[in-house]
Amino acid sequence: GAGVSQTPSNKVTEKGKYVELRCDPISGHTALYWYRQSLGQGPEFLIYFQGTGAADDSGLPNDRFFAVRPEGSVSTLKIQRTERGDSAVYLCASSLTRSGANVLTFGAGSRLTVL
Amino acid sequence: DAKTTQPNSMESNEEEPVHLPCNHSTISGTDYIHWYRQLPSQGPEYVIHGLTSNVNNRMASLAIAEDRKSSTLILHRATLRDAAVYYCILRDRNAGNMLTFGGGTRLMVKP
Repeated sequence: GAGVSQTPSNKVTEKGKYVELRCDPISGHTALYWYRQSLGQGPEFLIYFQGTGAADDSGLPNDRFFAVRPEGSVSTLKIQRTERGDSAVYLCASSLTRSGANVLTFGAGSRLTVL
Repeated sequence: DAKTTQPNSMESNEEEPVHLPCNHSTISGTDYIHWYRQLPSQGPEYVIHGLTSNVNNRMASLAIAEDRKSSTLILHRATLRDAAVYYCILRDRNAGNMLTFGGGTRLMVKP
């Protein structure tokens, strides 16, 4: 597609459950980023992939959060044992390369609600 | 990472120009100045970026101070659709790091 696609757009789950959020980046974009945004705040960096490898995962809040990008295209953010504090909009973005001159294209986000 | 400082909010009247300031006094020589905006219930959207020279595109203009310690995003004629949070972000040309978002400026446009 022409843009970054994220699914599901909305996910409601119960505390303690496992959740997967998917990101389909723009074709040919080698860099992929995950962000989390709480209400009224700016997006908060989670993890960044260059190709298949996680180049920087310093933003992952704890070991319940994990992300993969096995073929260098689609990425999945995985959250184990969800907590109410994980409720947020999870944003994915992609960029042609990792160069600072390149721009990021964001998806519409996946809204996660943990009851 | 070098930080940016923006006003929390600004107001504008429809059809008038808007100047959104950003201070980045610790900018390095390899930092690009990026601007993104986020409309309600949407992901951030790229607006414009530059390194040293002023830049223009169909959405906006970016005026960069000669010492690069500040910049201004200019919307030439604000419309109601321009109401959004505008983020000024520095991104190193070589480091390939992620964008680090601050609080941004919430622009309100009055009809």
